[in-house]
Amino acid sequence: GENVEQHPSTLSVQEGDSAVIKCTYSDSASNYFPWYKQELGKGPQLIIDIRSNVGEKKDQRIAVTLNKTAKHFSLHITETQPEDSAVYFCAASKYNFNKFYFGSGTKLNVKP
Amino acid sequence: EAGVAQSPRYKIIEKRQSVAFWCNPISGHATLYWYQQILGQGPKLLIQFQNNGVVDDSQLPKDRFSAERLKGVDSTLKIQPAKLEDSAVYLCASSSQRQGRTDGYTFGSGTRLTVV
Repeated sequence: GENVEQHPSTLSVQEGDSAVIKCTYSDSASNYFPWYKQELGKGPQLIIDIRSNVGEKKDQRIAVTLNKTAKHFSLHITETQPEDSAVYFCAASKYNFNKFYFGSGTKLNVKP
Repeated sequence: EAGVAQSPRYKIIEKRQSVAFWCNPISGHATLYWYQQILGQGPKLLIQFQNNGVVDDSQLPKDRFSAERLKGVDSTLKIQPAKLEDSAVYLCASSSQRQGRTDGYTFGSGTRLTVV
């Protein structure tokens, strides 16, 4: 099956700095890669996603890049704010996108 | 639009007891998923329903876990008997299909189970 690895496990940045979280996947057939933000006591919420026919996608301060050859994708958050503090999960999926394989999560702490 | 509803929010039981979790998906979502999220890990799919039929239950420990989705709407997940290693957050998610693609994949807030 698919194996998704995520790094780092914790990340601490100063407010206004950028944060980058990286994930690798093992199954070259995976073709959909969502990123989720999970706040304490809540379920994961989709923040951005990318399909395998695209190399980069941006939504305001958040961007995701995908390298299919190397089988890795990254989340970039610019101008970080304290409310960005949460646990972020990457995931990979294939076929009709139903079954997600999640990474182990990155706890992001944005210091004011 | 109302989100995915789950209850209870928290449950503490002793090992070997049984427990049940309930999920009400977003209206109109045909696909429903149960995930297990152990502390410090990403969610892991336990079972996936399409309407009231099981699509994937390959990761469900069937000797102790069971799930049903009667009438293709609400779902219950049961553990009997519970073990200490079942302590986790149980997340329910739902999605619909639009033009052959999964749409609106949404998670509930989860049920935190502690087995003592």
